Amino acid sequence: IAGITQAPTSQILAAGRRMTLRCTQDMRHNAMYWYRQDLGLGLRLIHYSNTAGTTGKGEVPDGYSVSRANTDDFPLTLASAVPSQTSVYFCASSQGTDTGELFFGEGSRLTVL
Amino acid sequence: QKEVEQNSGPLSVPEGAIASLNCTYSDRGSQSFFWYRQYSGKSPELIMSIYSNGDKEDGRFTAQLNKASQYVSLLIRDSQPSDSATYLCAVNSNTNAGKSTFGDGTTLTVKP
Repeated sequence: IAGITQAPTSQILAAGRRMTLRCTQDMRHNAMYWYRQDLGLGLRLIHYSNTAGTTGKGEVPDGYSVSRANTDDFPLTLASAVPSQTSVYFCASSQGTDTGELFFGEGSRLTVL
Repeated sequence: QKEVEQNSGPLSVPEGAIASLNCTYSDRGSQSFFWYRQYSGKSPELIMSIYSNGDKEDGRFTAQLNKASQYVSLLIRDSQPSDSATYLCAVNSNTNAGKSTFGDGTTLTVKP
């Protein structure tokens, strides 16, 4: 089934540890995104990539990094996790770079203690 | 002021009624507008997109856009219990690198 796969589904992490959330899509979409969703704050864009080899910063990029080595994969790395990064993280993709018609993965729930 | 604001909700309507969800945005240059549905514990799912002033209908859903008033709405006719979810308004905003900025969502409950 075509779509976006995220891993892990859920993770508890000690503060200060490094963590990479994985995201893979098989729809050959050009653009990919990482959002975090927090109660009362909605979905906020962390980083995006318009095409393989390029990345950009969203609304809340601090403490996160991304890479886009190929079309399908867009991992999100927390170099040194802090409790404020406890959230649900959604990876998304879109056919075009400005369409805004996003397809979301199932999410990764991260708890930083 | 938040860039995208929605009714705080929650909104409760009886089965068969019309549910009206509202959204305002601050970036006057925005050109693309979307409604997503998110069931509890699940990921958002695109249900409507609208790009021009006026109404756009898709089944029981109608999106309405008024760029002059910076207002976009979603009407759900003949509401069903399965429509119970959180509805997210998203606007492609120049202040967010042209990417989608989301409202906080309005939770809708349709009571049988």
